[in-house]
Amino acid sequence: DAKTTQPNSMESNEEEPVHLPCNHSTISGTDYIHWYRQLPSQGPEYVIHGLTSNVNNRMASLAIAEDRKSSTLILHRATLRDAAVYYCILRRVGNDMRFGAGTRLTVKP
Amino acid sequence: DTAVSQTPKYLVTQMGNDKSIKCEQNLGHDTMYWYKQDSKKFLKIMFSYNNKELIINETVPNRFSPKSPDKAHLNLHINSLELGDSAVYFCASSQVGYNEQFFGPGTRLTVL
Repeated sequence: DAKTTQPNSMESNEEEPVHLPCNHSTISGTDYIHWYRQLPSQGPEYVIHGLTSNVNNRMASLAIAEDRKSSTLILHRATLRDAAVYYCILRRVGNDMRFGAGTRLTVKP
Repeated sequence: DTAVSQTPKYLVTQMGNDKSIKCEQNLGHDTMYWYKQDSKKFLKIMFSYNNKELIINETVPNRFSPKSPDKAHLNLHINSLELGDSAVYFCASSQVGYNEQFFGPGTRLTVL
């Protein structure tokens, strides 16, 4: 399975944008890039996913490199509620999701 | 309305006991999953069920058995509990053809 690499932790100030990087150099053409987050003491929560083009939704934006070997999750304006562990996952349609260690995001007031 | 619910939220039991964790989803999804999150916080998929058929069976001990009485429920039965089974167990559901999985709040299992 293709793997992802994320920084262990990142910090951000409240109301500032956050860019969470993910490297996936062994991604295959059929792998979708998914992002989930897990708030303290809660189950994971879907954030966004994409294949080749950049994606936007109400929660975040996903910027995918042209060669697809890396991607960046963008939170446009971090709030305290965005403090969580963010997981970048590669998944083929119909296959299971394999979570890595993720990035622990701390948001400072 | 809770989309994916699990009971109980906490479960403390002795080694060797048999226990069950229940999961229900009211989203009309046709696929349900069980994940285990250990003390190091790694989430690992254990099982998934699609239309009452097991489609993924990770290399978990056969003491763990998923049971799906209907499309809205996927219960997890654990026999002869061991200390290493202590973890948080999450249920999730999704619709075939869609990418988003919805997770329950988790059940913290502690084996003494």
